[in-house]
Amino acid sequence: DSGVTQTPKHLITATGQRVTLRCSPRSGDLSVYWYQQSLDQGLQFLIHYYNGEERAKGNILERFSAQQFPDLHSELNLSSLELGDSALYFCASTGRATNEKLFFGSGTQLSVL
Amino acid sequence: LAKTTQPISMDSYEGQEVNITCSHNNIATNDYITWYQQFPSQGPRFIIQGYKTKVTNEVASLFIPADRKSSTLSLPRVSLSDTAVYYCLVGVNNAGNMLTFGGGTRLMVKP
Repeated sequence: DSGVTQTPKHLITATGQRVTLRCSPRSGDLSVYWYQQSLDQGLQFLIHYYNGEERAKGNILERFSAQQFPDLHSELNLSSLELGDSALYFCASTGRATNEKLFFGSGTQLSVL
Repeated sequence: LAKTTQPISMDSYEGQEVNITCSHNNIATNDYITWYQQFPSQGPRFIIQGYKTKVTNEVASLFIPADRKSSTLSLPRVSLSDTAVYYCLVGVNNAGNMLTFGGGTRLMVKP
């Protein structure tokens, strides 16, 4: 158990809908990273938050947004969903040090039908 | 941001040593090199990390040459359960950089 909690584990929805994925980092971790992994593909970096502030943004679609709350949990919002958004979405948390390893959650499997 | 290049796939047999090399020609001075293992439908998990020279832990070794433009993950005596995708990640946490994974190496261990 990595200590990172992602909910829900599975999400099935229809095109055009909006969903929210939640991530609770390990106790004490200030950083949250979000990644998207499509079937048999690598991990695509979406966005990084540190202590509530956005630190880096990858190739995240404008339909996607995220935030990190004062209690340090993070939410990834996906709207106007398309079939191609179906993927595993992972969050990872890490501590303050620049060389700390990433601890990944078990992911949310999103299926857009 | 250091881009990484790894072989797409590798095959091995149980009991053999496996070496997976990652190229990262434009690694920055402050970057660390970290390797992760991922099983299907699971989040990646940490294997080993290094900055320079050699690092060894209970599951793997990491060799980094002096110029740091590449690194080699060494898995001694692999078993079937080592079948997974292995990613090298080069970067620095919390520095405003994207921690971008490369394509990974799919290792298949055969009996």
